[in-house]
Amino acid sequence: TQLLEQSPQFLSIQEGENLTVYCNSSSVFSSLQWYRQEPGEGPVLLVTVVTGGEVKKLKRLTFQFGDARKDSSLHITAAQTGDTGLYLCAGRNTDKLIFGTGTRLQVFP
Amino acid sequence: GAVVSQHPSWVICKSGTSVKIECRSLDFQATTMFWYRQFPKQSLMLMATSNEGSKATYEQGVEKDKFLINHASLTLSTLTVTSAHPEDSSFYICSARKLNYGYTFGSGTRLTVV
Repeated sequence: TQLLEQSPQFLSIQEGENLTVYCNSSSVFSSLQWYRQEPGEGPVLLVTVVTGGEVKKLKRLTFQFGDARKDSSLHITAAQTGDTGLYLCAGRNTDKLIFGTGTRLQVFP
Repeated sequence: GAVVSQHPSWVICKSGTSVKIECRSLDFQATTMFWYRQFPKQSLMLMATSNEGSKATYEQGVEKDKFLINHASLTLSTLTVTSAHPEDSSFYICSARKLNYGYTFGSGTRLTVV
């Protein structure tokens, strides 16, 4: 069974702080995606990383794919209340997308 | 962009009855559709993968006789929860994928069995 462990599980911070979420696995994935999910909705894609060592930036969000394509991180700079949500990494294996355990982020004003 | 419509968005049913959830790709033909289940404060767990015209492939631990999946066309997949019980109450999410494209998720269906 492929497992994608995310840490931390919960994160509660104040607006303006920086944070990093980690996604680790013992398996190699052909690509890895990060999603954000709001309560009662489906997950929304933030980014896809494909190449080992790849770094992608999306405004205040920086995503990194590990060299061995087994792990990834999401860094948010100067968090805002609008960043609150459930962050999920998902690894692609053949046609399947396997989701990580999730990180629930709460940003307080 | 690719849009996936899931219906209904919420449903309440009595224990022992069956419930059908529809997942439609509105502007593309999906080679594969996926069904996930999400319990409160947890992540998405893949239940099954379905390809049009063939039997669904279920993940380990998912009862195929309880969760019937039909993928009759390239734009429609249905999940039927048979003889539902309170422990089946969950958030069910579908995803559709077109060959060489990414995954598009529906907005989910909250099932409550009373």
